[in-house]
Amino acid sequence: KQEVTQIPAALSVPEGENLVLNCSFTDSAIYNLQWFRQDPGKGLTSLLLIQSSQREQTSGRLNASLDKSSGRSTLYIAASQPGDSATYLCAVRPRMDSSYKLIFGSGTRLLVRP
Amino acid sequence: DAGVIQSPRHEVTEMGQEVTLRCKPISGHDYLFWYRQTMMRGLELLIYFNNNVPIDDSGMPEDRFSAKMPNASFSTLKIQPSEPRDSAVYFCASSAVSGSGLYEQYFGPGTRLTVT
Repeated sequence: KQEVTQIPAALSVPEGENLVLNCSFTDSAIYNLQWFRQDPGKGLTSLLLIQSSQREQTSGRLNASLDKSSGRSTLYIAASQPGDSATYLCAVRPRMDSSYKLIFGSGTRLLVRP
Repeated sequence: DAGVIQSPRHEVTEMGQEVTLRCKPISGHDYLFWYRQTMMRGLELLIYFNNNVPIDDSGMPEDRFSAKMPNASFSTLKIQPSEPRDSAVYFCASSAVSGSGLYEQYFGPGTRLTVT
């Protein structure tokens, strides 16, 4: 059974710092991995999607990497800003049964202090 | 496009009452997903549809929960009778496979359900 873990559960950093959020998954048989952002009381916003054949994806100050063989992904945020404060979730789409479901981690709650 | 639309945004009801949550997916998307988010269990998939047909309902907690998708632009999640442990935020998401084979889910704002 696919399980997704995110460590740490919470992170507090000063503004301007570069930071890395971690995501690990137990079964490397995945179609893709997706990083989301969730603001308090809001829905999820997709940040980056990495296909299983890709190693990384970049969007602005965000860079996501994928090491499928080791079951790991990282989300790198450069020059963090208070507006980056949110919960970040990763999710994998398992290759099992050609399913279109996503399995989510429990998220990392990020606080960027001014 | 307005994105995924959910209604109501907040629902407070008493135990034993019927609750109906509604979702309008993004036009042209052929997959629709219902998720539930709680502090204890995180984000869990309840059921998903493809072309209005339920594909996987293994996450539906019990018979009190039912979901329908009568057409491509509307879906409902019904809880009857509701219980306090059903209190959670319920999200609807939709997706479609792009021409390049990418598959990305887009989420609605959620319905916060409180059962007293």
